[in-house]
Amino acid sequence: GQSLEQPSEVTAVEGAIVQINCTYQTSGFYGLSWYQQHDGGAPTFLSYNALDGLEETGRFSSFLSRSDSYGYLLLQELQMKDSASYFCAVRSGYSTLTFGKGTMLLVSP
Amino acid sequence: EAGVTQSPTHLIKTRGQQATLRCSPISGHTSVYWYQQALGLGLQFLLWYDEGEERNRGNFPPRFSGRQFPNYSSELNVNALELEDSALYLCASSLRGRENNEQFFGPGTRLTVL
Repeated sequence: GQSLEQPSEVTAVEGAIVQINCTYQTSGFYGLSWYQQHDGGAPTFLSYNALDGLEETGRFSSFLSRSDSYGYLLLQELQMKDSASYFCAVRSGYSTLTFGKGTMLLVSP
Repeated sequence: EAGVTQSPTHLIKTRGQQATLRCSPISGHTSVYWYQQALGLGLQFLLWYDEGEERNRGNFPPRFSGRQFPNYSSELNVNALELEDSALYLCASSLRGRENNEQFFGPGTRLTVL
């Protein structure tokens, strides 16, 4: 089966940088995705890493190390609107995703 | 372009009843996924439909079932409702074959079982 571990909560202040880690165990691996979900809203896609290394998209970056079964989401220049839950998800075949339990990010002024 | 839509927004049922949830994918998307999001448990994969066929299902009992229609919309049925079925049910759609498998989520149906 698959399992993913990520911190349940992270706090930071506006303008700071925060890193949300994700470790996974899976049989078969195609890639690691990150999704953002604001309270009560629909999850939205942030990034996808299939190969080792860093992918940058604006203020957000995502990193993957396949040998360590580890990835992280890096959020820079934090804004209040970044307060949300962040989920890592593993694609392990059959086009389905297994999600972690999510990390709640609280950004304070 | 319209996003993924789900109906109803809220659904209240009593234990033992049946619930039917509906989802319309983004135009052109053939894959539909259903997830259950219970408090504190993240998103748990329920079912994947593509081209009218069930392609995969998660670790849920058979009373969770569904189907996909020729227009790619989908229906999730939950029979013999139990209290622990209370959750947000999310539907997502994607273009099959996209390497990153980006899934587009609807706003969800909040199911409450009393």
